[in-house]
Amino acid sequence: EVHLVESGGGLVQPGGSLRLSCAASGFPFNSYSMTWVRQAPGKGLEWVATIKHDGSEKYYVDSVKGRLTISRDNAKNSLYLQMNSLRAEDTALYYCARWTFSGSWYIEYWGQGTLVTVSS
Amino acid sequence: QTVVTQEPSFSVSPGGTVTLTCGLSSGSVSTSHYPSWYQQTPGQAPRTLIYSTNSRSSGVPDRFSGSILGNKAALTITGAQTDDESDYYCILHMGSAIWMFGGGTKLTVL
Repeated sequence: EVHLVESGGGLVQPGGSLRLSCAASGFPFNSYSMTWVRQAPGKGLEWVATIKHDGSEKYYVDSVKGRLTISRDNAKNSLYLQMNSLRAEDTALYYCARWTFSGSWYIEYWGQGTLVTVSS
Repeated sequence: QTVVTQEPSFSVSPGGTVTLTCGLSSGSVSTSHYPSWYQQTPGQAPRTLIYSTNSRSSGVPDRFSGSILGNKAALTITGAQTDDESDYYCILHMGSAIWMFGGGTKLTVL
């Protein structure tokens, strides 16, 4: 069974940094692209970033480029999101999720999320 | 910038049929946008319903179906149940490995 467990969320001041982690199990982690999706309180889902299975390519939504960095450690079955220069608008529940390709790409599995609050 | 559009809200009677749509503020949605659909109830993580336009994810009841209707992707619920009252989101591939969710549709079943 696929499990994705996020951690590392919390309260941080504007301009501060935070590192989110996602522990994956139940599948060959090094074979799958992974992604972060966020959801601001009371708002919709927003795709944030994707990393290929081997870490060779990374993609970001424009609003986070240069501030948030997605990475992975396949030896540890872990996905990360380094968050720098945080802004109030980064406040959200951050979901770790796994892409699957079956005719086309789609997000098949989701974690339960970790909450990031940016506030002074 | 082109954005993905969804109806903010929709209402359906129990047993009824409803079609939610996923469009583009500029242009038409096609299978090349790899439309997929997700259901989210309050306090829960999203659940994958439909991928690759019209394929149901494992365990999803066949009352949920996906299609392209005109210039939009569509999610149809046939025989709606009270448990279907949720938020529904679509996501589209915008090119160059960039993805965008629609704003979501809040479905009420009453």
